[in-house]
Amino acid sequence: QSALTQPRSVSGSPGQSVTISCTGTSSDVGGYNYVSWYQQHPGKAPKLMIYDVSKRPSGVPDRFSGSKSGNTASLTISGLQAEDEADYYCCSYAGNYTLVFGGGTKLTVL
Amino acid sequence: QLQLQESGPGLVKPSETLSLTCTVSGGSISSSSYYWGWIRQPPGKGLEWIGSIYYSGSTYYNPSLKSRVTISVDTSKNQFSLKLSSVTAADTAVYYCARHDIQLERLDHWGQGTLVTVSS
Repeated sequence: QSALTQPRSVSGSPGQSVTISCTGTSSDVGGYNYVSWYQQHPGKAPKLMIYDVSKRPSGVPDRFSGSKSGNTASLTISGLQAEDEADYYCCSYAGNYTLVFGGGTKLTVL
Repeated sequence: QLQLQESGPGLVKPSETLSLTCTVSGGSISSSSYYWGWIRQPPGKGLEWIGSIYYSGSTYYNPSLKSRVTISVDTSKNQFSLKLSSVTAADTAVYYCARHDIQLERLDHWGQGTLVTVSS
C-alpha cells in the first residue's frame, strides 16, 4: 500500500482556479469511487471537503469540486480566496477495508 | 453535535508501547453506520491511516503497521483505543481519531489531535 501521489505545492491568485491532482493505481483510486479530500490549516485537524470523488458535505462552498479519470483524482478550487490557503490531502479506499492518503499539497494564495 | 477527544501520554520512551484513547460524545459508538479510526501525522509531514474498528470489535489495519498496532473498543464508555508497540522516534506524530463512514468511505468527524513524542 503506497501513498497516493500529489504535487507538493500549487499556487494561484485570488479569484483564479487551481487544480490539485492525486494519482494512485487501479487498486485504489482507479478501482473505487471512494476518493475524499481534506483541507488542513496549520495546527488544525483535517476537514472533509469532498467525498465519493465529487460530493460536497453540507457547508462546503461549491467553489470546491472533485473529479476522477482513471487512476487520477482531482480537486479544483475556483474563485480562490485567502482562506483557501492550506494543505490538501486526498484519500482513497484501497480494498480490504483500508484507506490510503496522498502526501499532501500546500496551496498558496498569492 | 458529535465530538471526539484524544487522550493519553504525550511522551513515550523508545521500545515501549504508545497508548491513546478516543472518547466520543454527542453520538453512539455502537452505530452500525460507522467505523472509528486512527490517523497520524509526523511533524511537517502528511497523514497516514493507522486503522479502524467497528463497534463489534472487527478491526482493519494499515498493512505497514499491522504487526505493531492494536485497536480496541469499549462501547460502555463510548471509547476506542490505540496501542502501538515497540515505538521509535519515527512514531513521533500528532495522532487523530476520527469517525469513518462505512458506506461513503469518508472521515467526517475528527478529534483535535494529540502530539505524542517518542524520546528517552
